[in-house]
Amino acid sequence: GAGVSQSPSNKVTEKGKDVELRCDPISGHTALYWYRQSLGQGLEFLIYFQGNSAPDKSGLPSDRFSAERTGGSVSTLTIQRTQQEDSAVYLCASSFFGGGTQPQHFGDGTRLSIL
Amino acid sequence: AQSVTQLGSHVSVSEGALVLLRCNYSSSVPPYLFWYVQYPNQGLQLLLKYTSAATLVKGINGFEAEFKKSETSFHLTKPSAHMSDAAEYFCAVSNFGNEKLTFGTGTRLTIIP
Repeated sequence: GAGVSQSPSNKVTEKGKDVELRCDPISGHTALYWYRQSLGQGLEFLIYFQGNSAPDKSGLPSDRFSAERTGGSVSTLTIQRTQQEDSAVYLCASSFFGGGTQPQHFGDGTRLSIL
Repeated sequence: AQSVTQLGSHVSVSEGALVLLRCNYSSSVPPYLFWYVQYPNQGLQLLLKYTSAATLVKGINGFEAEFKKSETSFHLTKPSAHMSDAAEYFCAVSNFGNEKLTFGTGTRLTIIP
């Protein structure tokens, strides 16, 4: 079956613009995660959705970052008023819910470059 | 709180030699441990996981890892390196009730022909 799909694969935008990144999880996976991978910070957790529960937003770096998950499937990560330090690869993952035991399946990421 | 330390940001081994990538964790509760591999311009692919069953875990591509509670370690090994093993490897930890993964800083593995 299809894996986790992310779009766009690359995004270049000017500082101060808003961007939206999309993630289509694997069908049937109830858990969805966003991570950020950057040279200076490595792989960082951003946000976690599980079913209809309130999302765990504890990793979002500022209030310029937000995410939603519609209908328990597709998720969109939005970054407002982008800054150069937002340049990174944004990775989405999904899994079955399993109390932490289920492996997360990752998409290929969106490479975001802020000019 | 939980954390992962990967010793050696770069490791080089000859083709056919033993691969050993080190991972030590810190967790206040029993951990779940994972090794992922990342090839250039791709996402992370799961190699293997430990979730409190057998302490010696076998994964894909001939890799295995052993959970050692006394040493708080989960080192990744492969008896004989192949050129296709060249990639970046990440160790990660989670635990029950804390689904999100905390990653180490990664180890870039280079295979010398």
